[in-house]
Amino acid sequence: GENVEQHPSTLSVQEGDSAVIKCTYSDSASNYFPWYKQELGKRPQLIIDIRSNVGEKKDQRIAVTLNKTAKHFSLHITETQPEDSAVYFCAASKGGGTSYGKLTFGQGTILTVHP
Amino acid sequence: DAGVTQSPTHLIKTRGQQVTLRCSPKSGHDTVSWYQQALGQGPQFIFQYYEEEERQRGNFPDRFSGHQFPNYSSELNVNALLLGDSALYLCASSLSGSTGDTQYFGPGTRLTVL
Repeated sequence: GENVEQHPSTLSVQEGDSAVIKCTYSDSASNYFPWYKQELGKRPQLIIDIRSNVGEKKDQRIAVTLNKTAKHFSLHITETQPEDSAVYFCAASKGGGTSYGKLTFGQGTILTVHP
Repeated sequence: DAGVTQSPTHLIKTRGQQVTLRCSPKSGHDTVSWYQQALGQGPQFIFQYYEEEERQRGNFPDRFSGHQFPNYSSELNVNALLLGDSALYLCASSLSGSTGDTQYFGPGTRLTVL
């Protein structure tokens, strides 16, 4: 089955700096890659996603890049703010067939933004 | 527009007991997936329900079962509880179709097994 590796496990930055979190996946058939933000005691919140037919997607301070050949994708947060502090999870799935909609998650990255 | 809701919020059970968790999907969604999130880890896929049937299943024993109702809400049942079943149980809903893999999570049910 699919395996998703996420790095780093913890990331500490100063307010205003950029943060990058990287994930690799094992199944070349995976074609959907969402990122979730989970604050302490709260639900995972979808912040951005990308499909395999595009290489990059941006939404204000957040961007995701995908390299299908290398089977890795990354989350980029620019101009970080203290409220960006949370656990971030990457995930992968392959649409269609019997695996439709099953998300396989990475282990998470604890991001801390210091004021 | 109501988001995904789950009940109860917290639950304490003892080993060997049975538990039922409930989920109402986001308005307009027809597919419900269940995940188990152990402390400090990413969510693990349990199973997914669509059209009142289990469409796919993760690596969880048969003690974990579910149901989907005609109104698309869903239940997760766990029998013969073990200490290791203590976790946050998350429900996620989605709309079948070309973007059916876009899932929105509920707040979860925190299950503690003593």
